[in-house]
Amino acid sequence: AQTVTQSQPEMSVQEAETVTLSCTYDTSESDYYLFWYKQPPSRQMILVIRQEAYKQQNATENRFSVNFQKAAKSFSLKISDSQLGDAAMYFCAFGQGGSEKLVFGKGMKLTVNP
Amino acid sequence: DTEVTQTPKHLVMGMTNKKSLKCEQHMGHRAMYWYKQKAKKPPELMFVYSYEKLSINESVPSRFSPECPNSSLLNLHLHALQPEDSALYLCASSPKGVRSSYNSPLHFGNGTRLTVT
Repeated sequence: AQTVTQSQPEMSVQEAETVTLSCTYDTSESDYYLFWYKQPPSRQMILVIRQEAYKQQNATENRFSVNFQKAAKSFSLKISDSQLGDAAMYFCAFGQGGSEKLVFGKGMKLTVNP
Repeated sequence: DTEVTQTPKHLVMGMTNKKSLKCEQHMGHRAMYWYKQKAKKPPELMFVYSYEKLSINESVPSRFSPECPNSSLLNLHLHALQPEDSALYLCASSPKGVRSSYNSPLHFGNGTRLTVT
């Protein structure tokens, strides 16, 4: 069975600074996808970024980028130039190819200080 | 239209009540999901519908009854719930059905905050 681990329950960052959120996973599959979702107080889960396991290039979306280390089974999220609106719960998630089930990590609460 | 709409936003019900949660999307997505989320926890999958057919039931108690009347609508019928069922119920959709080899990101609604008294 796949597992996703987010070892840091909470982090804080100063506005305009950079922060890295860690995530590790365990799987024996070769076809899988990794996601970072953000859940602000509005409750909606919002996709931040997505990485296909077969791609060596790290995904980037504006201020958000990942460091995907496949051999180490690590999938960290870097947020550059942090903004107040980045404050939220962040969930790392694993999806096996062909399956509609996502395995979520426990989440991490990010606070952005002005 | 890129939204998943859930109604109601809040619901308080007694243990003997019957109520329904509603979810709607008009993005042409063919897979729809119900998740349950307790405070400060990740979402837990309950049900998946693919092409209007129930494809995954994560051993959810029968007091929760899903229904997918058409490709745009997903309901969750509630009956004889327990206080421990109080949670945020999230609906999500994705473009592909379960047989796809491509993992599509989920689009989530804002959820229904359910309180069982």
